[in-house]
Amino acid sequence: QQQVKQSPQSLIVQKGGISIINCAYENTAFDYFPWYQQFPGKGPALLIAIRPDVSEKKEGRFTISFNKSAKQFSLHIMDSQPGDSATYFCAASKEVSGGGADGLTFGKGTHLIIQP
Amino acid sequence: DTEVTQTPKHLVMGMTNKKSLKCEQHMGHRAMYWYKQKAKKPPELMFVYSYEKLSINESVPSRFSPECPNSSLLNLHLHALQPEDSALYLCASSLQGGYTQYFGPGTRLTVL
Repeated sequence: QQQVKQSPQSLIVQKGGISIINCAYENTAFDYFPWYQQFPGKGPALLIAIRPDVSEKKEGRFTISFNKSAKQFSLHIMDSQPGDSATYFCAASKEVSGGGADGLTFGKGTHLIIQP
Repeated sequence: DTEVTQTPKHLVMGMTNKKSLKCEQHMGHRAMYWYKQKAKKPPELMFVYSYEKLSINESVPSRFSPECPNSSLLNLHLHALQPEDSALYLCASSLQGGYTQYFGPGTRLTVL
């Protein structure tokens, strides 16, 4: 069972355009939704994250939109640049009581190419 | 500083070898994680440690043995691996459970 569905699988955007990646989740216990950027041979790097109590969060050129009722969230990259070309993963996790910790459940990833 | 370090960067081992991967963070984080990532796939959770205690084991084969000697260190001991275990092994840490996870650069493991 895939708990976080991500689309599209690949995306080509012209330089200066807006890149949009969408994710949907099934588990209503999830309460933390980060986006990671990964370059080949490197570890994932956190871009931006959101919790369900807000509908939108913006950091520089990156914006997360969150729709709790639809169980969907998306990443918007404004003014996309060739250096943004990478694989992007959405993820989700839930709070664990008693001092525990939950791992991240990742979407399958989006390979983004920004054409100059 | 949000740095998680992993050693070695690359490891090649035979199926009869015993080796260990090391992960270290000095951010005061109390939760640490091991993930496995195959090419063109997302990271898959293997183990979670919280306050130096194993919190989650995602049904990982016993040829992978995690260890958390203290709050800053996380090891992954490898023994009798199979070629299909070849992957990028990622370590991550977070302040506590439910907080942002920061990933290390990974160890590229090749099993011959």
